[in-house]
Amino acid sequence: DAGITQSPRYKITETGRQVTLMCHQTWSHSYMFWYRQDLGHGLRLIYYSAAADITDKGEVPDGYVVSRSKTENFPLTLESATRSQTSVYFCASSPGPSNYGYTFGSGTRLTVV
Amino acid sequence: AQSVTQLGSHVSVSEGALVLLRCNYSSSVPPYLFWYVQYPNQGLQLLLKYTSAATLVKGINGFEAEFKKSETSFHLTKPSAHMSDAAEYFCAVSSNTGNQFYFGTGTSLTVIP
Repeated sequence: DAGITQSPRYKITETGRQVTLMCHQTWSHSYMFWYRQDLGHGLRLIYYSAAADITDKGEVPDGYVVSRSKTENFPLTLESATRSQTSVYFCASSPGPSNYGYTFGSGTRLTVV
Repeated sequence: AQSVTQLGSHVSVSEGALVLLRCNYSSSVPPYLFWYVQYPNQGLQLLLKYTSAATLVKGINGFEAEFKKSETSFHLTKPSAHMSDAAEYFCAVSSNTGNQFYFGTGTSLTVIP
C-alpha cells in the first residue's frame, strides 16, 4: 500500500542494546525526517535527509545514527540505548523543503528498561 | 533559530462553542507556518498551511487560521467544536533554510458534551 510505514509499532529493549527503527515510504519523497515526541517537549528533530546518501543532524542527534542508501528507506539506530531514549519516534517524509508540509508515519513507541 | 510558542497546553470547550488555539512564532524572515492534529496513538496529520499566499488559510474539518505578521501569530480557529475535534494540536514553523520544522509543545483540546 502507498504511504509511510514504521516498524515496529512497539519495542521494549534493555539499556545498552542496539536497536533499529525502520521507516519506509512509497512516494519517492526526497526528504525524510526522524522526530521524537516527549511530554513537555513536543516534537524534536533527530536527523533528516534531503536525498539518498545525504543526511544531517537535527536538534537532538546524540546517541542516534541514520543512513539512507535508498530513497524509500530511512532507518534510525540507537547504538547503545539509554533510558532517556524512551520516547515515541515518528518518521516523516516530504517531496521538497518545508513549504510542502510533512506526511507522518504512525510512530514507534520505544521503551528502554 | 525559529521557534514556536503555543499558549495553553490544555484547552477545554463545550460542544458547539468556538475553538481558539494560539500560536506565536519568532522568525527573522517570512515563514511557512503549519497546524497539525494528532489523534490518540496516531501520527500527525496536516490541518492547514500558510505559505505566503492568502493570510486567512482554510484547512480540513472546518478549521482555519489567520497569519498576522504584526502580531507574529497564527492562531487556529473553528466556529463550532465537535466531539471528534478532541485531539492534540501542534503549530510548526519552517526553518530559514526550509529543511526542517520547529514544532510547538502542543495544545490538548478537550470537547465537553
